[in-house]
Amino acid sequence: EAGVTQSPTHLIKTRGQQATLRCSPISGHTSVYWYQQALGLGLQFLLWYDEGEERNRGNFPPRFSGRQFPNYSSELNVNALELEDSALYLCASSLFLAMVQETQYFGPGTRLLVL
Amino acid sequence: KQEVTQIPAALSVPEGENLVLNCSFTDSAIYNLQWFRQDPGKGLTSLLLIQSSQREQTSGRLNASLDKSSGRSTLYIAASQPGDSATYLCAVRQGGSEKLVFGKGTKLTVNP
Repeated sequence: EAGVTQSPTHLIKTRGQQATLRCSPISGHTSVYWYQQALGLGLQFLLWYDEGEERNRGNFPPRFSGRQFPNYSSELNVNALELEDSALYLCASSLFLAMVQETQYFGPGTRLLVL
Repeated sequence: KQEVTQIPAALSVPEGENLVLNCSFTDSAIYNLQWFRQDPGKGLTSLLLIQSSQREQTSGRLNASLDKSSGRSTLYIAASQPGDSATYLCAVRQGGSEKLVFGKGTKLTVNP
């Protein structure tokens, strides 16, 4: 069974541009989570999508947004890129049955570099 | 607000040594606690998950314990190998929440 996949593996942008990161969850998983791992800051929760809806977001500005498609894959969009957005962005997926979240499985990440 | 701390930040040991990684959390109302491994520039691999009602979990040479009342967890690695070199992350899931709160990790180096 395929795990969580993310694309691209690396992305280089300049300040002010927009970045789009993609995630495909494990087959059968309906929930997708996005995390940011910036140098020295540890992993920070960004967004949670389930059944196409944004269910929760972390303490990030509105220029971080995303969506979940009918096939449960997800996009993370970062507008007006700033240098400090350079980080490894990790996607995770899980089942969400009867309001109970199961274990999150992580993808390999997209490394975003903003110049 | 839940805060997760991992000590030490880095650890270097000779091959074959048994070692303990520590994780502490400030709010004991957790749903579960999970230990992950992260290799450089890569994603996370789940090692062990301990539900709040459990005291420990074992997988091969790994043993994780949980003391919810004191807000502590330990990851014990027996007979360490160079292939164990990685960053180990501890994460807690709060009761009633879906997000994981991570520590900053312990970078382990096992020297041949």
